[in-house]
Amino acid sequence: NAGVTQTPKFQVLKTGQSMTLQCAQDMNHNSMYWYRQDPGMGLRLIYYSASEGTTDKGEVPNGYNVSRLNKREFSLRLESAAPSQTSVYFCASSPGGSGNTIYFGEGSWLTVV
Amino acid sequence: GDSVTQMEGPVTLSEEAFLTINCTYTATGYPSLFWYVQYPGEGLQLLLKATKADDKGSNKGFEATYRKETTSFHLEKGSVQVSDSAVYFCAMTGANSKLTFGKGITLSVRP
Repeated sequence: NAGVTQTPKFQVLKTGQSMTLQCAQDMNHNSMYWYRQDPGMGLRLIYYSASEGTTDKGEVPNGYNVSRLNKREFSLRLESAAPSQTSVYFCASSPGGSGNTIYFGEGSWLTVV
Repeated sequence: GDSVTQMEGPVTLSEEAFLTINCTYTATGYPSLFWYVQYPGEGLQLLLKATKADDKGSNKGFEATYRKETTSFHLEKGSVQVSDSAVYFCAMTGANSKLTFGKGITLSVRP
């Protein structure tokens, strides 16, 4: 029953530190996504990967990098964390295609001080 | 570009009241439309979806109809419960499969 699993669930970073959020899905989905959720802003797409071997920028990619390591895993890296990156991050996956449901992980709460 | 607009919140209702949450979209082509729900401290879950015009999605007493003529996908429930208190997001996907969200609306249902 795993679905989409992301780690860590909580993290506090100092400004300038780097970290990687890990995400894995066990549904054999082609597409994977990283979103951030901020109060009053809804969810905004950071990066997505339509299929293994491809990645594309979303709405707010600055300050982030991603790696689609294989079909299962899609990681998000903050090279030099900034307080503006304090947010809740959600990984998601879908089979791909317009009508397919996108499934979300439980979220990672990141605070940059 | 693609966008989703939801009514401003928050919304507070008494138990058993009727709920409508408005959602309109702007898209090229024919998107698929979704409502996601987020309970406190949790991730997002799909509530319902519709993939073509005039389709009605329904789940847990909630309904929404894909109206191409008004580019809308309003969420309705005839009688809300305290357990429906959550944040509701309208969303759409276009041909590139990217999910575009509205800003979300917080619903609080009081006993």
